[in-house]
Amino acid sequence: DAKTTQPPSMDCAEGRAANLPCNHSTISGNEYVYWYRQIHSQGPQYIIHGLKNNETNEMASLIITEDRKSSTLILPHATLRDTAVYYCIAMDQTGANNLFFGTGTRLTVIP
Amino acid sequence: DTGVSQNPRHKITKRGQNVTFRCDPISEHNRLYWYRQTLGQGPEFLTYFQNEAQLEKSRLLSDRFSAERPKGSFSTLEIQRTEQGDSAMYLCASSLRYQKNPYEQYFGPGTRLTVT
Repeated sequence: DAKTTQPPSMDCAEGRAANLPCNHSTISGNEYVYWYRQIHSQGPQYIIHGLKNNETNEMASLIITEDRKSSTLILPHATLRDTAVYYCIAMDQTGANNLFFGTGTRLTVIP
Repeated sequence: DTGVSQNPRHKITKRGQNVTFRCDPISEHNRLYWYRQTLGQGPEFLTYFQNEAQLEKSRLLSDRFSAERPKGSFSTLEIQRTEQGDSAMYLCASSLRYQKNPYEQYFGPGTRLTVT
């Protein structure tokens, strides 16, 4: 499974878009990009995933570059409740079932 | 659907004692996972069940650790002869084998273990 690299921390003003980058330069063609987040004192929560195309759901948008070597998770209007650690995970869906979280990006939404 | 529950939420024990944690997954989910998370790190995979069968174990799961899932419902994680290095948050997650997103796992709130 491809290793991902994320900045350790980011700040975002409340109401603005939060753009969280992730590098996965060694990703293979059959590996998906998954995003999870973990709010303090809670278990991780699934956000979104994608393979090649950009994806959007009620929580966020996922932009994957054409070469698939990096992606960006976008929270369009960040709120204080979005303060959390965000994990980018690249996984082959035909392989092992466990998630490899890494250390993630700690996003702090500032009032 | 009440989500994944874990008990106890907190456990303080003395070094050398045995501890057991329980996880109740979402009722129709046939896959169950255990993870361990230490301060400042992301969760690390420990083991995985499909129904009652334990299909994968991490090298992190030493012989002092044992997990069971009798009848494919709830699961228990036991740590024997606890060490201070076992202090961590123990997370349980569940998923449904044939769901659209195989890596969409639903996590419980965790059990925080402190070994003194």
